[in-house]
Amino acid sequence: DAGVIQSPRHEVTEMGQEVTLRCKPISGHNSLFWYRQTMMRGLELLIYFNNNVPIDDSGMPEDRFSAKMPNASFSTLKIQPSEPRDSAVYFCASSFSGFQETQYFGPGTRLLVL
Amino acid sequence: DAKTTQPTSMDCAEGRAANLPCNHSTISGNEYVYWYRQIHSQGPQYIIHGLKNNETNEMASLIITEDRKSSTLILPHATLRDTAVYYCIVRVDTGRRALTFGSGTRLQVQP
Repeated sequence: DAGVIQSPRHEVTEMGQEVTLRCKPISGHNSLFWYRQTMMRGLELLIYFNNNVPIDDSGMPEDRFSAKMPNASFSTLKIQPSEPRDSAVYFCASSFSGFQETQYFGPGTRLLVL
Repeated sequence: DAKTTQPTSMDCAEGRAANLPCNHSTISGNEYVYWYRQIHSQGPQYIIHGLKNNETNEMASLIITEDRKSSTLILPHATLRDTAVYYCIVRVDTGRRALTFGSGTRLQVQP
């Protein structure tokens, strides 16, 4: 299994531009999580989906952030417009929801907003 | 989820056992102890989890005290590739299912 796949691995953009991060979860997993990691705040959950439905988006910073999961094998996290404070590493994780589930993380997307 | 306390950093000699402690004194009866690690520039990686019994897998052993207020992750023969930040996470298996990461312990394995 290829594991969780994220693209791009690195993104450099200018303030005000739209940024789209992509994630392909592990086949058969029905839960998908988006996390963000910064030096100041550590790893924090942004949103998670169960069976393609957003369940908890309380961690989404503001309206500039949106996430979608159109099908079981693909999710996007969009930032529009981007700001320098959005610079971080964004991780996608997937799991098979159930008792004692384990989350599997992708390699992350390193975003730099200038 | 219960709060956890871990030392900020630890050193371990290569080939020796690394024992990483975690305090979770407010843990409740239905909360599990999970351990993940994050090697530099990579995504977090699951290591092991347990409820009250000691657990062992190919990566590590988890020792949970009888009162469940603390636990220890043991890497039996640490290698340089085990240098990472290790996170102890306590959570229930129902309800909100996201992982809440603290600051973790930065383990440096020395040659």
